Amino acid sequence: GAGVSQSPSNKVTEKGKDVELRCDPISGHTALYWYRQSLGQGLEFLIYFQGNSAPDKSGLPSDRFSAERTGGSVSTLTIQRTQQEDSAVYLCASSHSRDREHFGPGTRLTVL
Amino acid sequence: ILNVEQSPQSLHVQEGDSTNFTCSFPSSNFYALHWYRWETAKSPEALFVMTLNGDEKKKGRISATLNTKEGYSYLYIKGSQPEDSATYLCASTSGYSTLTFGKGTMLLVSP
Repeated sequence: GAGVSQSPSNKVTEKGKDVELRCDPISGHTALYWYRQSLGQGLEFLIYFQGNSAPDKSGLPSDRFSAERTGGSVSTLTIQRTQQEDSAVYLCASSHSRDREHFGPGTRLTVL
Repeated sequence: ILNVEQSPQSLHVQEGDSTNFTCSFPSSNFYALHWYRWETAKSPEALFVMTLNGDEKKKGRISATLNTKEGYSYLYIKGSQPEDSATYLCASTSGYSTLTFGKGTMLLVSP
């Protein structure tokens, strides 16, 4: 069956530009997560959506980062005024329960 | 805030060697421990989810154990093969927190 998809797979942008990363979760999964992995670091939690509840934004590193999930399905992570330290692989995951997450292939973001 | 530690950071073994990695996590208010395998240019693949102290799980040549009282889990690979080369991530949840990941152990198996 269809898994979690993310687009674009690679994004190169200039410092100061805004970027949008998209995640299409598995149909029917109520939970959606965004993580990122910077070079040499572990996976870092960014934001968590669960159904219609208010998202857990506790992992967003600054107010330049925001995310929304429309209609309980597709999610967009937006990074405004990108900085070089934002370069990372951004992973999206969805789950039907908290016990197992299904990851997308990730978006590799490079900020020049 | 959970702090999940993995060791070693990287490991290079020969085909046929058996190997193991360690994941340590805070044992207070523990809920579940996850192991993932992450190959380059692919998404992390769930290997095991363990919740009970003393749990042992096995998938082919890979197995894992869990000690929730002392806060550690071991992942074992028997007879490593080149296709086992990947980063192995562990992640822990406690209470109602989301997954907190370690930095991973990067395994390279040479033919």
